[in-house]
Amino acid sequence: DAGVTQSPTHLIKTRGQQVTLRCSPKSGHDTVSWYQQALGQGPQFIFQYYEEEERQRGNFPDRFSGHQFPNYSSELNVNALLLGDSALYLCASSGGALNTEAFFGQGTRLTVV
Amino acid sequence: AQSVTQLGSHVSVSEGALVLLRCNYSSSVPPYLFWYVQYPNQGLQLLLKYTSAATLVKGINGFEAEFKKSETSFHLTKPSAHMSDAAEYFCAVRSQGGSEKLVFGKGTKLTVNP
Repeated sequence: DAGVTQSPTHLIKTRGQQVTLRCSPKSGHDTVSWYQQALGQGPQFIFQYYEEEERQRGNFPDRFSGHQFPNYSSELNVNALLLGDSALYLCASSGGALNTEAFFGQGTRLTVV
Repeated sequence: AQSVTQLGSHVSVSEGALVLLRCNYSSSVPPYLFWYVQYPNQGLQLLLKYTSAATLVKGINGFEAEFKKSETSFHLTKPSAHMSDAAEYFCAVRSQGGSEKLVFGKGTKLTVNP
């Protein structure tokens, strides 16, 4: 089992650009959540996808959008990048019979310059 | 709304000493509680979880935590610290049933001195 995989691992973008981050969930999981972790902070919930729909959203602007594909993989898109978007972006998957815990990927480190 | 407070952003212990990392939560509904560990430039790894079964929960690497409803606490302990325990630790809460959204504390960085 490969666990949760995210790509790319590191990314450098310029202010105003757009970025797409990708996540493949753990085998057997159907729910994907995205979190933003700024330096020195705990992860903050961005949104969650289930059955290809956004099920819940945190306090993030509309510049942050996502998608879930039929194979449960997911993308996070951020438009009009700001310097403050620099962070570690974490994907978590959950689901299955018990569904009491989330498994996290290694994250994508986004740097906006 | 749910929230988590981790007391102490930095904790330093000697190798072999007791590790105690504090977590208090606020939740209007019965919670699930979690401790995650994060090594530098890594994702989060689950240490242990409370899901309304036993209040004393044992996790990986010798860690354990006790759910105390009256104190709204879920403190993480380990009897004897190892150098490899140096990392950042996050406490998180979510609702039982309903939303799977995790609300995290700000983290506690554990340093283990030789």
